[in-house]
Amino acid sequence: GNSVTQMEGPVTLSEEAFLTINCTYTATGYPSLFWYVQYPGEGLQLLLKATKADDKGSNKGFEATYRKETTSFHLEKGSVQVSDSAVYFCALRNDYKLSFGAGTTVTVRA
Amino acid sequence: GAVVSQHPSWVICKSGTSVKIECRSLDFQATTMFWYRQFPKQSLMLMATSNEGSKATYEQGVEKDKFLINHASLTLSTLTVTSAHPEDSSFYICSADRGSSGGSTDTQYFGPGTRLTVL
Repeated sequence: GNSVTQMEGPVTLSEEAFLTINCTYTATGYPSLFWYVQYPGEGLQLLLKATKADDKGSNKGFEATYRKETTSFHLEKGSVQVSDSAVYFCALRNDYKLSFGAGTTVTVRA
Repeated sequence: GAVVSQHPSWVICKSGTSVKIECRSLDFQATTMFWYRQFPKQSLMLMATSNEGSKATYEQGVEKDKFLINHASLTLSTLTVTSAHPEDSSFYICSADRGSSGGSTDTQYFGPGTRLTVL
């Protein structure tokens, strides 16, 4: 079956710090991989995605590379801001269904 | 573009009553919509896949008679929680697939969610 494992939070950082959230997956076939972000009081928003091995998704300074050999899709940002405080979900899509990781709460302090 | 709305955003009801939640794609047609349930500080769990004009496909362990789904048009899907009980209290989220002819675009757009509290 399909499953996504991401690092547990919460993660607390200072502004301008480097952020990494690890995500690994198991899946049959060739899934697409996603990072979604949920800001306080809002619905999930697509942050970035990658559809095949070695693809790099990027948006708003965040990046993640689809690594088939390690079945990973780690999220990184070089310099976080207070506005990046949110819950981040790693997800894979197989057969039109999304499977989500447990979510990682990130808090950035000024 | 690609906005999905849900109504109501929150609802409180008495045990034994039924509650209907609407999910609308505002600026695109969605052949497929999905319903998720999210418990506090946990991930989204897919409940069912809703296809316009056909019966919904439920995930294992989800009671189809309790969670009635109707995908009446290409822009509207409804989830009705029948005879709700306190254990049904949760955050319900829908998403819509902005698919085009020939298949999915590989991206789902999410509604803001509906907080259901059953007393």
